[in-house]
Amino acid sequence: GEDVEQSLFLSVREGDSSVINCTYTDSSSTYLYWYKQEPGAGLQLLTYIFSNMDMKQDQRLTVLLNKKDKHLSLRIADTQTGDSAIYFCAERALAAGNKLTFGGGTRVLVKP
Amino acid sequence: GAVVSQHPSWVICKSGTSVKIECRSLDFQATTMFWYRQFPKQSLMLMATSNEGSKATYEQGVEKDKFLINHASLTLSTLTVTSAHPEDSSFYICSASWGGLANEQFFGPGTRLTVL
Repeated sequence: GEDVEQSLFLSVREGDSSVINCTYTDSSSTYLYWYKQEPGAGLQLLTYIFSNMDMKQDQRLTVLLNKKDKHLSLRIADTQTGDSAIYFCAERALAAGNKLTFGGGTRVLVKP
Repeated sequence: GAVVSQHPSWVICKSGTSVKIECRSLDFQATTMFWYRQFPKQSLMLMATSNEGSKATYEQGVEKDKFLINHASLTLSTLTVTSAHPEDSSFYICSASWGGLANEQFFGPGTRLTVL
């Protein structure tokens, strides 16, 4: 079955880099996604990575994928107060069809 | 692009009444729409997957007679919570996918349901 886990909380100072980690268990994962959720709002797709890639960079965001260890990370450079939110990783696995399996979310607090 | 709306954004109803929530893809045709439920400080729980013109596929443990899903067109899906009870109070989020290469799901802003 699929299981996606994330650490619960991350505190970071404004201007520093944030690294949010995620582990998954399903080796048939095809795509992995990072979503951002602000209070009382839906989820915003930040970026995604195909499972045969090791890294993807998009402006301040860098996604690293270690397929051997089933470990995914999201690095946010120059973290801003507006980056404070809950970040969810999600995987799409062949075994699950078109469905996404979400991690529990990491609450990121950016301190001025 | 890829904007998904939900209506209403919040609703308060009395126990025993039914509530309908709409999910619309505004600028693309959604081959598949998904309905999730999110409890406070928790992750999203998939309730059902719906494809236009066909019956929804419900996840295990989700009562199909209680949570009626209608995917009437490529831009509209509705979730009706029938005979709502206080335990149905939750944040309901829909997402839509146009079936692109990465099959990204684009999420609506959510609907907060409170049943008194």
